[in-house]
Amino acid sequence: SAVISQKPSRDICQRGTSLTIQCQVDSQVTMMFWYRQQPGQSLTLIATANQGSEATYESGFVIDKFPISRPNLTFSTLTVSNMSPEDSSIYLCSVVRQGRNTEAFFGQGTRLTVV
Amino acid sequence: AQTVTQSQPEMSVQEAETVTLSCTYDTSESDYYLFWYKQPPSRQMILVIRQEAYKQQNATENRFSVNFQKAAKSFSLKISDSQLGDAAMYFCAYEGVVRDDKIIFGKGTRLHILP
Repeated sequence: SAVISQKPSRDICQRGTSLTIQCQVDSQVTMMFWYRQQPGQSLTLIATANQGSEATYESGFVIDKFPISRPNLTFSTLTVSNMSPEDSSIYLCSVVRQGRNTEAFFGQGTRLTVV
Repeated sequence: AQTVTQSQPEMSVQEAETVTLSCTYDTSESDYYLFWYKQPPSRQMILVIRQEAYKQQNATENRFSVNFQKAAKSFSLKISDSQLGDAAMYFCAYEGVVRDDKIIFGKGTRLHILP
């Protein structure tokens, strides 16, 4: 299994400011994934973070709004920049353990409220 | 592109009864994984059950079993002897084998357990 520590667990932020979310994994992983989950909705992939290269963003998400860092194989950050109320959501990081028992593991999520 | 569809936004079941959650998916790949994840109010995503597409036998995990119909691209989850702790959002998810570990989630089904 993989244990992911994500923080902060929640925050209330003023519009126009930025918030950086951190994820620490207890083992080395090649890729880490960042998802957004709006209230009562499914998980939408924001980007895939590879160590040593730029993150790959999904359609509708851009680096200027959601810059990602991946300084090593166990850590990643997602910044939500210049926030607006529409950014209020849960943000989750995830890793996938490949192999016979492939499984995705998730952080506890960060509940962001922008006021 | 792969898609995952859950057509039941909410369902209710009496405690100790059996309930089936539906999921269909679309893909052109021949090998892939399908999952059911549970997200209780704590937000922590928990793997319920996994199915490898190359296996004809339906996966089972204690009270949880799936009905995997590859030709019909259908992957339903059956919960037997429902318990109050089963109340959660359930997400059907897809991961292709030959690519980049991205997991695609359905919109989810909120399951209520009636005492």
